Order: sequence, then structure tokens, then C-alpha cells
Amino acid sequence: QITLKESGPTLVKPTQTLTLTCTFSGFSLSTSGVGVGWIRQPPGKALEWLALIYWDDDKRYRPSLKSRLTITKDTSKNQVVLTMTNMDPVDTATYYCAHDSSEYPGFDFWGQGTLVTVSS
Amino acid sequence: QTVVTQEPSLTVSPGGTVTLTCASSTGAVTSAYYPNWFQQKPGQAPRALIYSTFNKHSWTPARFSGSLLGGKAALTLSGVQPEDEAEYYCLLYYGGPQLFVFGTGTKVTVL
Repeated sequence: QITLKESGPTLVKPTQTLTLTCTFSGFSLSTSGVGVGWIRQPPGKALEWLALIYWDDDKRYRPSLKSRLTITKDTSKNQVVLTMTNMDPVDTATYYCAHDSSEYPGFDFWGQGTLVTVSS
Repeated sequence: QTVVTQEPSLTVSPGGTVTLTCASSTGAVTSAYYPNWFQQKPGQAPRALIYSTFNKHSWTPARFSGSLLGGKAALTLSGVQPEDEAEYYCLLYYGGPQLFVFGTGTKVTVL
């Protein structure tokens, strides 16, 4: 059974750096083809793909946010970490991590999400 | 910047059929975009329904089906149930720097 769970601060101040951790179980990020992605959803708005890291440490980022995002993995801890620098109130959103299957591009299992508010 | 467009809202009667579409600003959507579809209810995380155009997950009800229709990805709900009222998102895979793009979302109302 695959599960994922996001953790991190619920409130950050403008210009600060956000660090979110995705802790997962039921799969290994050392398995060929597997990836873990981050997706966010501002209140009342659509989903936005942010970043993805694959089993071989290949990393992909949303082009418009690439300069602010870093995604890393710790295979031994079954964790993926996303950092976003220079946070702004427009970055207020629910942040989700999700499993990307090795069989096809896409996200089959999702975490419950964590709401991050950016405010002074 | 690539934009993936869906109908903002659709209304369907219980037991009826409704088709949602997913269009890419880059041109026709094909199976090479591996269209995915997700259902999201208020306060919940998205739930995957369809992958690679028409494939269902083990938990996807049979009344949901995916296809390609007129250059777009499509999700058809047949025999709609009240619990199908939700927001639906498509996801397209571009493979390049913009690896994935979500659609704008369709709010389906069962009335």
C-alpha cells in the first residue's frame, strides 16, 4: 500500500525559504522509473505541477519557478524534500506530494496535502 | 507558456452522461501526452481516475472512461451518480522543460 504525507510549516513570512518534506511508504525511490512529484493548489484555484525527482536523481522543475525550487531525495529515509526560496503571499497554497509510477507518466497516489500560508 | 484548457463547468442530471475535454495550446492532444484525469472533492486531495488516455486504476468506477476526441483528451461519465459532483482535472505530459501541465479544471454539478 502506497502512502505519502507532507510535513512542514503552516506559516512562513515573505522572503523566507519554505522547506517541505514528503515521507512515503509502500515503494522505493531506488526502483527504476519511479518518481515523486510536488504539486500545489492556491485556494480556489487549479493544480500546478512544481517539481519531480526520479529514482536516478534526475530532477525537473516548473520553468517559471526553476530559480526558486530545489528538490532532493533521501532514499534511506523514504523522503523527498522541496525547498522554495523567496516566498511571497501568492505562494499561499496547499502543497501535495505524489507518486509517479514507473509504468506511465502521471501521479497515481497523493498525500493529503499541507496548507502553507505566506504572511507577515 | 503552455496552457491546458477545460470547460469551466458542466451540469448533468443523475443517471445522465457528460463528457469533459482537455485541450492543449500547443495543438492536438495525442496518446503521446499520456493524459491523466483526476477527481477532487472539496477539502480533499485529488484522486487519480484515468492514466495514459483510457486506462483505469483499480479503484476507478466503471462509469468513468477516457478517450481522445477531436484533438482533445476526454473523460466521459456515464450513469452519473450524485457522488460524482466534484472538480475534475486533466494532466498532460510534455516531456520537455514543462514536464507536466494540469488543466484549468471542470466543475461538474449533478442536478
